[in-house]
Amino acid sequence: GAVVSQHPSWVICKSGTSVKIECRSLDFQATTMFWYRQFPKQSLMLMATSNEGSKATYEQGVEKDKFLINHASLTLSTLTVTSAHPEDSSFYICSALGQYNQPQHFGDGTRLSIL
Amino acid sequence: TQLLEQSPQFLSIQEGENLTVYCNSSSVFSSLQWYRQEPGEGPVLLVTVVTGGEVKKLKRLTFQFGDARKDSSLHITAAQPGDTGLYLCAGLVGGADGLTFGKGTHLIIQP
Repeated sequence: GAVVSQHPSWVICKSGTSVKIECRSLDFQATTMFWYRQFPKQSLMLMATSNEGSKATYEQGVEKDKFLINHASLTLSTLTVTSAHPEDSSFYICSALGQYNQPQHFGDGTRLSIL
Repeated sequence: TQLLEQSPQFLSIQEGENLTVYCNSSSVFSSLQWYRQEPGEGPVLLVTVVTGGEVKKLKRLTFQFGDARKDSSLHITAAQPGDTGLYLCAGLVGGADGLTFGKGTHLIIQP
């Protein structure tokens, strides 16, 4: 089955640090990837849609200069949280969509803790 | 903005009992998916329903998609402790869109 790998799985860093999270589709080409955020005891909220070779589309209320997304190849999208603050602490999850609009396949998430 | 109302948010029942989780919306979805998520992991797809009125069965789990494609339900028969987890419904409007998730149902099955 389709596998999506997310790295790192856990990050703890100081306030003001920028953190990069990678999302890779391991056995299929993903024309579209999505980034979600999940706060404790809450559901997933879509942050942005990442399309290979073009600019990401951000949901309302998500700062594009704060959450930089790059989708440079059909198997890799990255999310960089710039100048992270404690309120950015959350569980970030990516998903990937193949060429034939298959169901989205999710990575295992990245737990980000900003001290 | 599409919204999915999922209920109940928390449910704790005894092993062997039956339960139903509901997802309702005023929006029409092209498909609706049910996921199960364990702590610290990403959601795992259980089923996708596409056709209005569709019913899908996965062992003791029965999924229904409403005729108008605005609502869905998950019914678990004879719940077992291994069913404990967070269940999420998620709706899709277009094939290449992001998913709209319900708030999730935290299910605990007590032995």
